[in-house]
Amino acid sequence: DTGVSQDPRHKITKRGQNVTFRCDPISEHNRLYWYRQTLGQGPEFLTYFQNEAQLEKSRLLSDRFSAERPKGSFSTLEIQRTEQGDSAMYLCASTKDRANYGYTFGSGTRLTVV
Amino acid sequence: GQSLEQPSEVTAVEGAIVQINCTYQTSGFYGLSWYQQHDGGAPTFLSYNALDGLEETGRFSSFLSRSDSYGYLLLQELQMKDSASYFCAVRGQAGTALIFGKGTTLSVSS
Repeated sequence: DTGVSQDPRHKITKRGQNVTFRCDPISEHNRLYWYRQTLGQGPEFLTYFQNEAQLEKSRLLSDRFSAERPKGSFSTLEIQRTEQGDSAMYLCASTKDRANYGYTFGSGTRLTVV
Repeated sequence: GQSLEQPSEVTAVEGAIVQINCTYQTSGFYGLSWYQQHDGGAPTFLSYNALDGLEETGRFSSFLSRSDSYGYLLLQELQMKDSASYFCAVRGQAGTALIFGKGTTLSVSS
């Protein structure tokens, strides 16, 4: 297994455009998480899936953000009508359904909104 | 809500021992984790404590005191490659996502 893969690595978009990111988790991991990280801050939780079910969304998450994991494998995160404040690193992580099992993070997608 | 406090920066020299503290406030508690992140890299899992006491993994150890809502990461025999950001993270309830602190930047000099 090659770990958690995220695509693209970098995305530059104009304000108001929609963007979509993809995450391919480790195949035997049933939990998948999306986080956002800005410079000098820790990862900020956005949403998470157990298999194909979206179990938790951050209350801070704007309605412009939506995520899917249609077959319990890869996941997509879409941001509609991007704003400059959306510029950040978007991290995906996966893990097994065990409390003491750490998250494996992907390398992230760096979004720049101009 | 949930919140975590950790120092923003720590400096040390090679071969030294450093302790990074973390205090947390959560409505519930389901474990304290530590992650390392090098500049430009992804966070990587270091340790997990669910019960009070010390967990040792090589040069790194992690401690938890649930009564004090406090934990720390202890790094021994520091090496230059340990220069990174270190995050504590908590899960308030079973089946919820980790909430991360703002991170501590460790700088190791020779």
